[in-house]
Amino acid sequence: NAGVMQNPRHLVRRRGQEARLRCSPMKGHSHVYWYRQLPEEGLKFMVYLQKENIIDESGMPKERFSAEFPKEGPSILRIQQVVRGDSAAYFCASSPHARETQYFGPGTRLLVL
Amino acid sequence: KQEVTQIPAALSVPEGENLVLNCSFTDSAIYNLQWFRQDPGKGLTSLLLIQSSQREQTSGRLNASLDKSSGRSTLYIAASQPGDSATYLCAVGSYNTDKLIFGTGTRLQVFP
Repeated sequence: NAGVMQNPRHLVRRRGQEARLRCSPMKGHSHVYWYRQLPEEGLKFMVYLQKENIIDESGMPKERFSAEFPKEGPSILRIQQVVRGDSAAYFCASSPHARETQYFGPGTRLLVL
Repeated sequence: KQEVTQIPAALSVPEGENLVLNCSFTDSAIYNLQWFRQDPGKGLTSLLLIQSSQREQTSGRLNASLDKSSGRSTLYIAASQPGDSATYLCAVGSYNTDKLIFGTGTRLQVFP
């Protein structure tokens, strides 16, 4: 059973471009969580999704950020018009049910020039 | 609102010492607590997971304990080695939310 997959592992964007981060949960997991780690800071929750539904987006900035988890395919975290402050490591985790152990992917490191 | 604190923020010790890293949380209604290791610029490596019904978990030189009533967990590292140098994070899963709340970590350096 493959673990949580994230791609790309590294992403470089210029200010104003769009960034798309992908997360494929573990097989059988229908719950996906996104966390962000800013440089020299801890991990902070962004958004929690269950197939086709956003359950909790309380940690996600209101503007420029969006997330989806379609019926088929990976979960996508989309950042429009990126700014330098978006540079961070973005981690995805999945679980089979709510409030169960979350398994983390290797992360995507976004660098905005 | 759950808050997670880790003490100390940084620790530098000579090789061979036994270490205790501390994690405290404000809301005892948790379903699990997890300890992770993170090397610079890398992802998270899960070390130990303690379910709310458990008191401790052990893996090799690592032992983690959980006291829900006092809102504390400790990670004990026996006979530390330079390869143990990393940042150690604890994360709490609370019943009143679906997200994990992470502490700010303890940055450990073990020198030869």
